[in-house]
Amino acid sequence: DTAVSQTPKYLVTQMGNDKSIKCEQNLGHDTMYWYKQDSKKFLKIMFSYNNKELIINETVPNRFSPKSPDKAHLNLHINSLELGDSAVYFCASSQEGFRVFFGPGTRLTVL
Amino acid sequence: AQTVTQSQPEMSVQEAETVTLSCTYDTSENNYYLFWYKQPPSRQMILVIRQEAYKQQNATENRFSVNFQKAAKSFSLKISDSQLGDTAMYFCAFMKQGPGSSNTGKLIFGQGTTLQVKP
Repeated sequence: DTAVSQTPKYLVTQMGNDKSIKCEQNLGHDTMYWYKQDSKKFLKIMFSYNNKELIINETVPNRFSPKSPDKAHLNLHINSLELGDSAVYFCASSQEGFRVFFGPGTRLTVL
Repeated sequence: AQTVTQSQPEMSVQEAETVTLSCTYDTSENNYYLFWYKQPPSRQMILVIRQEAYKQQNATENRFSVNFQKAAKSFSLKISDSQLGDTAMYFCAFMKQGPGSSNTGKLIFGQGTTLQVKP
């Protein structure tokens, strides 16, 4: 009965590769997000989708493309991975934004 | 633009004692929400407590309480009777209230404070 789930939990890949992280929520929430936590533990929002519509895009390189096939899923695809993309990526969801539930995070390591 | 500042990178407390984590924020908004999140070594982000800016009464959740000073833009977290399981990184976060009853859900986080509870 996991609320927000992400796969994979760990992802190790080479520079230049393309990878995807999947996210699903079973809370019935309308809004989903991607947050990035860098090596200094700083957390920052990347994207927000509401009912499959992009609401927030925080000056993220266009190598990052979120895709929302339905309101329970928000996947993150990253093209041409760079060393600086190494981070923990959190998916999250909320209903009317009051309480944001986070997934367990995906640690991406680019070699 | 809103900013959130946590000036204590690391803190420690003895088990069963009380500790206060500081947070200040800057905003020109009048309606907003403030949060404290806990991130243990498992890296899961866990909501500890939430405060609505329009409420004067400080929020409490069991051993966790806040001291919300709106005029001073200060939002500290007090943990009473500290337990070993409280060892974690704590993040203060700000969310602007959106139009109507909805919100963007966009959280702006501070840099975090690492709390070590010692036996």
